Amino acid sequence: DAKTTQPPSMDCAEGRAANLPCNHSTISGNEYVYWYRQIHSQGPQYIIHGLKNNETNEMASLIITEDRKSSTLILPHATLRDTAVYYCIVMEGYSSASKIIFGSGTRLSIRP
Amino acid sequence: DTAVSQTPKYLVTQMGNDKSIKCEQNLGHDTMYWYKQDSKKFLKIMFSYNNKELIINETVPNRFSPKSPDKAHLNLHINSLELGDSAVYFCASSQDLGGYTFGSGTRLTVV
Repeated sequence: DAKTTQPPSMDCAEGRAANLPCNHSTISGNEYVYWYRQIHSQGPQYIIHGLKNNETNEMASLIITEDRKSSTLILPHATLRDTAVYYCIVMEGYSSASKIIFGSGTRLSIRP
Repeated sequence: DTAVSQTPKYLVTQMGNDKSIKCEQNLGHDTMYWYKQDSKKFLKIMFSYNNKELIINETVPNRFSPKSPDKAHLNLHINSLELGDSAVYFCASSQDLGGYTFGSGTRLTVV
């Protein structure tokens, strides 16, 4: 079972920041927070991951609370192409036995 | 160059047939995976291989047999196809902590 809780859907105006929340209250010390998204009919796409510090890359920012029980993915200037299902995943640090367990994610709709 | 490529993209076949889906990655990753996405859009892991060795087998029926001839390839062979096997199958690869790279999927329809 997925170890995260996300709202089933959200919407955001184009050009605004999209803030997607995720609850992972049972996260353990060696588990990372990963975000992926799946645009319609495509394979899932890796976005970002972090352990406890906030992270930023060219796609998004990841804010992890100090107690690590929740996080927020921020898309700073959402475009129509950001419409997708976004998955928040917790997973142990890389080993050959690591595996992503997908939940139901958040369906993000960007409105013009 | 496509990082993780799957063939075919679409596959329509009759019940009882045997079919294969091929996956290749050119990223130099050690680990490869097969995921199944059903009609309700849930993504579930089926198998993972690390350097040609089977690591994860998520109680998938014996009709599904993965084969990894080398660490860049992970093929999926399915015997005696059933209607319930209809789904989109995704191949993925990973290395270290950098996240998985997924292929574009193979849509299998069993009629």
